[in-house]
Amino acid sequence: EDKVVQSPLSLVVHEGDTVTLNCSYEVTNFRSLLWYKQEKKAPTFLFMLTSSGIEKKSGRLSSILDKKELSSILNITATQTGDSAIYLCAVEAGQAGTALIFGKGTTLSVSS
Amino acid sequence: NAGVTQTPKFQVLKTGQSMTLQCAQDMNHEYMSWYRQDPGMGLRLIHYSVGAGITDQGEVPNGYNVSRSTTEDFPLRLLSAAPSQTSVYFCASRRTARNTEAFFGQGTRLTVV
Repeated sequence: EDKVVQSPLSLVVHEGDTVTLNCSYEVTNFRSLLWYKQEKKAPTFLFMLTSSGIEKKSGRLSSILDKKELSSILNITATQTGDSAIYLCAVEAGQAGTALIFGKGTTLSVSS
Repeated sequence: NAGVTQTPKFQVLKTGQSMTLQCAQDMNHEYMSWYRQDPGMGLRLIHYSVGAGITDQGEVPNGYNVSRSTTEDFPLRLLSAAPSQTSVYFCASRRTARNTEAFFGQGTRLTVV
């Protein structure tokens, strides 16, 4: 059975801290790994990773994929209260290699 | 630019009632899918479609039907609502079936009493 596991499930930090969110997977026909941020409503896209070792960066957020370890990390530096959200990891996999399989998410709370 | 539009935003059903959740996208995306989100469970795939006329089951398909008669629309039908189907439902579309990001609708919060 395809599985995506995120850790930690929840995290509370102070503004200015740096956080690292983890995502590991055991799936068939891996194609890509995606990170999403979900605030009150719909998830919004952050990154798509297909190649090992190549960091994707957007402002204070960055992410990298390790295909050997079947995992990815999402880093957020100098956190702000606006970073408070659920961060979802999804893996494109499955028998047809087309399904997006999501982890349970990491709930990040940033206090001021 | 509408993107992915879901209706209704909220719905309360009685056990045994049927209803259809609507999803439409205006981006000419091939791939569309339905997820449900329950507290602590992430997003679980219900059904998906790789193109008009083609649908397949995801992880939790029981109690739901879908069809894809046009590229734009992908309705989700609840045949006989049960309290276990109380959830937030998201429709998502992708340009193609592989190596593309998913765009999500704003969700439908469904309560079955």
